[in-house]
Amino acid sequence: GAVVSQHPSWVICKSGTSVKIECRSLDFQATTMFWYRQFPKQSLMLMATSNEGSKATYEQGVEKDKFLINHASLTLSTLTVTSAHPEDSSFYICSASRTGGGYNEQFFGPGTRLTVL
Amino acid sequence: DAKTTQPPSMDCAEGRAANLPCNHSTISGNEYVYWYRQIHSQGPQYIIHGLKNNETNEMASLIITEDRKSSTLILPHATLRDTAVYYCIVRSNAGGTSYGKLTFGQGTILTVHP
Repeated sequence: GAVVSQHPSWVICKSGTSVKIECRSLDFQATTMFWYRQFPKQSLMLMATSNEGSKATYEQGVEKDKFLINHASLTLSTLTVTSAHPEDSSFYICSASRTGGGYNEQFFGPGTRLTVL
Repeated sequence: DAKTTQPPSMDCAEGRAANLPCNHSTISGNEYVYWYRQIHSQGPQYIIHGLKNNETNEMASLIITEDRKSSTLILPHATLRDTAVYYCIVRSNAGGTSYGKLTFGQGTILTVHP
């Protein structure tokens, strides 16, 4: 149990286009999902916290108009990178929080590698 | 959340126990110790967590010192597939704006060799 998927696993796009990444919790409901970004040889950096049915909370320095997050259901959150540029090329990872019954665990998706040309 | 300190890298022979240390001297009473690992180009994988008692599951054991200022993750019989970056994270399970957040440090690169 506790499987999180991401789609696509990798994407290449042209500069100026927008890219949408989906994050799904497959076998549990997640009221909270998190989006991270990881540059080569660096650690994960939290970008935003996404709560179902409400606006996402962004970390300091993350542009909310550039990284649009929608958490429309208890099993799906999406991250849209708008007007992508080469410096947005990175590994984007989501996680979903399973709570209740004494649990408060985060389970991570496999990541999406974005390359902007 | 409290910060953690881990050695940047460690080596281990296949079949031997891998003992990964973590210092968290500023941990507060309601903060748990979590361990995740990340194999190259994959999302992090949850390993184990604990508050003050030692914990064991099918993957690893977690030993937390009595003063809770440090802990050790033990992989009892390391295999080549255990080569990964291991992250020690302290996190509060209480409510509030930081609820659920995980702050990743640089972790320990564990290399298991034949």
